[in-house]
Amino acid sequence: TQLLEQSPQFLSIQEGENLTVYCNSSSVFSSLQWYRQEPGEGPVLLVTVVTGGEVKKLKRLTFQFGDARKDSSLHITAAQPGDTGLYLCAGVTNSNSGYALNFGKGTSLLVTP
Amino acid sequence: KAGVTQTPRYLIKTRGQQVTLSCSPISGHRSVSWYQQTPGQGLQFLFEYFSETQRNKGNFPGRFSGRQFSNSRSEMNVSTLELGDSALYLCASSLHSQGQGNTEAFFGQGTRLTVV
Repeated sequence: TQLLEQSPQFLSIQEGENLTVYCNSSSVFSSLQWYRQEPGEGPVLLVTVVTGGEVKKLKRLTFQFGDARKDSSLHITAAQPGDTGLYLCAGVTNSNSGYALNFGKGTSLLVTP
Repeated sequence: KAGVTQTPRYLIKTRGQQVTLSCSPISGHRSVSWYQQTPGQGLQFLFEYFSETQRNKGNFPGRFSGRQFSNSRSEMNVSTLELGDSALYLCASSLHSQGQGNTEAFFGQGTRLTVV
């Protein structure tokens, strides 16, 4: 069972366009992380959002955490070929049985020149 | 400092065999988590070890097991391999247990396991 649903699954755009990737769940998370994974590599953390309604900006990337801490979005402005990769969101749950990082299946982004 | 090192990078095994994968975390990191990544299911949590203790386990059969040594290095073992076990196995290291706030996880490049 996938706790986090990401959409779209695939996205192919041209350089300079804007895009938004969504990460939705019916579960509440203590925090949510966004990663980017390139072929042959492991995921690399981009940002962690903790507070409901929080907005974080990382150059051309804007991350938002939903008010209810169940969903998040990633907006990229003026996409560049270097943004190509698999974008993964991961919700952190921390219960009596321990910690777990629950990943969505990812959005595969291709930015062409 | 050196990143997370996983060995081997690639592995081909036959159904029914067993396999052991290794992960050396970043120096000083005490938490190691293991994940299975497949095109169909994405990244799925296997288990986390912190200071040689398994702190949490994902929804995988008992054929999947792991351990952590006193130097924080971790191994993952899969017994009686099935075709469906073919995947990229990733480990991630963290300074603290992931349950302690928003600790950043650093991933290795993974081990690509193919079961034939």
